[in-house]
Parts: sequence; structure tokens; C-alpha cells
Amino acid sequence: DAGITQSPRHKVTETGTPVTLRCHQTENHRYMYWYRQDPGHGLRLIHYSYGVKDTDKGEVSDGYSVSRSKTEDFLLTLESATSSQTSVYFCATGQLNSPLHFGNGTRLTVT
Amino acid sequence: QQQVKQSPQSLIVQKGGIPIINCAYENTAFDYFPWYQQFPGKGPALLIAIRPDVSEKKEGRFTISFNKSAKQFSLHIMDSQPGDSATYFCAASRSGGSNYKLTFGKGTLLTVNP
Repeated sequence: DAGITQSPRHKVTETGTPVTLRCHQTENHRYMYWYRQDPGHGLRLIHYSYGVKDTDKGEVSDGYSVSRSKTEDFLLTLESATSSQTSVYFCATGQLNSPLHFGNGTRLTVT
Repeated sequence: QQQVKQSPQSLIVQKGGIPIINCAYENTAFDYFPWYQQFPGKGPALLIAIRPDVSEKKEGRFTISFNKSAKQFSLHIMDSQPGDSATYFCAASRSGGSNYKLTFGKGTLLTVNP
């Protein structure tokens, strides 16, 4: 799994609470990504990073923020969780023009 | 705007059959087309990838066919096995620059019956 660790693996939270998901990599990859996976929608890009402190929005970024203060860590924050953010979240890493490597996901349930 | 359209959504074949999954893209700047395989509870993993300078690439029982003029590519699985049962995603990206990201199709759930 290219040394990608996502934490937590499962989380249940209430609507309106803040949530932070963590992705940690040991591969020294430049690029890191957060995707969400939902039935019927496949994998949709939330945010990505192309270097420390360099981030950009994906196609479904509303309600999410990210931070990358170190090469190895990429955090995804839901400032105020909503039920529509119930999903499985995947972190991926890679180098330019090379395959992406995915973590095993975080299953988030917002009640 | 869905930039990568994948079909079918689901597919059931018998062992030994040849499932075919199709993808179409819109952005002519795309020049890297990978396929990912995902088992339940796991993240997607790269299966095979192709660039538009070739029309076909084969790795073991998996083959990608690429039609640049039609902006389509497909995955063929020869002699399919029950262990191939998984969700398959096609994807596309463009090379160059720092803006490197993959756009995925919606996935195909493949079931190979014994």
C-alpha cells in the first residue's frame, strides 16, 4: 500500500461537529489527494496537494478544508459535518505522471 | 460535467468469460489512462495503464484497448476467474505541470460466477 496510513479507519460523529481525517505516507511522494467514494458516484476528488503548503480544490471541495505542513501528512477537515458527508474517504499519493497509491480508506458516518 | 464515462455499472459473467468494460473521455488533453481494481474494504490498486501512443497493452490476462480518434478505451479480462470479482475504475489525466490529478469513472462492479 505504498506506506499510506489513514486514521481513523472508522468514525461516527454527529451533525455539526468538526472532524479531521489524517493521511500519513512514508514514500516521500510529492502529490497527495483526498477522494470520497459513494455508490453511483465512483471516486470524486475533494482536494489535493502538490507540495508542502500547496493545495488546490477538486470537484467536490465545498464543506472541506485541507492542510499539509509536512511532506508525509495530509489532513482533511470537515468544519461542521453534515449527513451528506457520510462516505468512505480515500487518501492517495503519487509522483508526477506516475500511478497513484491509495490507502485503505476511512468510513465516516454522520448521524 | 462528467469527464470520464464508464459502462456498464455492473457486469456478471461466468468463469472463463471475457468481461469488457468501456470508458469514454472528453478532454483531448488527457494522455494517461489507468485502470484500478478495488476489493471490498480496500483502496483501489493500479491494474494496468496505457498512454495514447499505443492502441493496445496487455499484462497477463488484462488488456487495454485504446481508440484515440473515438476518445474511448476499454478493459478486457481474458479467462476471467472468481477472484477477479471486484470493482473496476477507469481514470484519465494529463501530463505536465504541477496540476497532476486523476479523474475517475463511476466504476463497474464485476461478478465472476464459478
